[in-house]
Amino acid sequence: EAQVTQNPRYLITVTGKKLTVTCSQNMNHEYMSWYRQDPGLGLRQIYYSMNVEVTDKGDVPEGYKVSRKEKRNFPLILESPSPNQTSLYFCASSLSLALEQYFGPGTRLTVT
Amino acid sequence: AQKVTQAQTEISVVEKEDVTLDCVYETRDTTYYLFWYKQPPSGELVFLIRRNSFDEQNEISGRYSWNFQKSTSSFNFTITASQVVDSAVYFCALSGDDYKLSFGAGTTVTVRA
Repeated sequence: EAQVTQNPRYLITVTGKKLTVTCSQNMNHEYMSWYRQDPGLGLRQIYYSMNVEVTDKGDVPEGYKVSRKEKRNFPLILESPSPNQTSLYFCASSLSLALEQYFGPGTRLTVT
Repeated sequence: AQKVTQAQTEISVVEKEDVTLDCVYETRDTTYYLFWYKQPPSGELVFLIRRNSFDEQNEISGRYSWNFQKSTSSFNFTITASQVVDSAVYFCALSGDDYKLSFGAGTTVTVRA
């Protein structure tokens, strides 16, 4: 089954404790990206990757890191999480930005 | 920079009413793509439609229809004869030459039985 998986689905952590949210797709898509969803703000793009080893900042990259060492994986790293990073996070992939995005199920992160 | 505006935060209708969701976009690109996604209460994001900037043809899919007008930079979405299952948050999105995808803030549609 074609899908985008994210782990964990729910995470509660404390300020400053490094964490990684994994994202994997099995559709051989070149384009992958991360979004955060906050009430009243819609989805905002954090980082995107056009291919292996090619990543770039989206609209809200501060406090986040990503890597794309393999085509299928695109982890999101919060080196020192803060409460303002409490949000719902979505990973997505597509063949290109001109086509529909396939979204993962979301990861709800709470930073206390 | 590109921008998507969904001015309607919430819309509440009674079943069988029609509802139109507005989407206005800003971009300097000549080639761009517009999308609508649905997020039901379960939380997943579901793709509804894609339109490129050179195709202004309106589209109808069952009870859903889309009106794309470049002259007014709008890509509006109409649900005809709404049903309770249409209750969701609907997002309009835009991608252009900068490889970014920009979403509007979303419109929450509540359909009451």
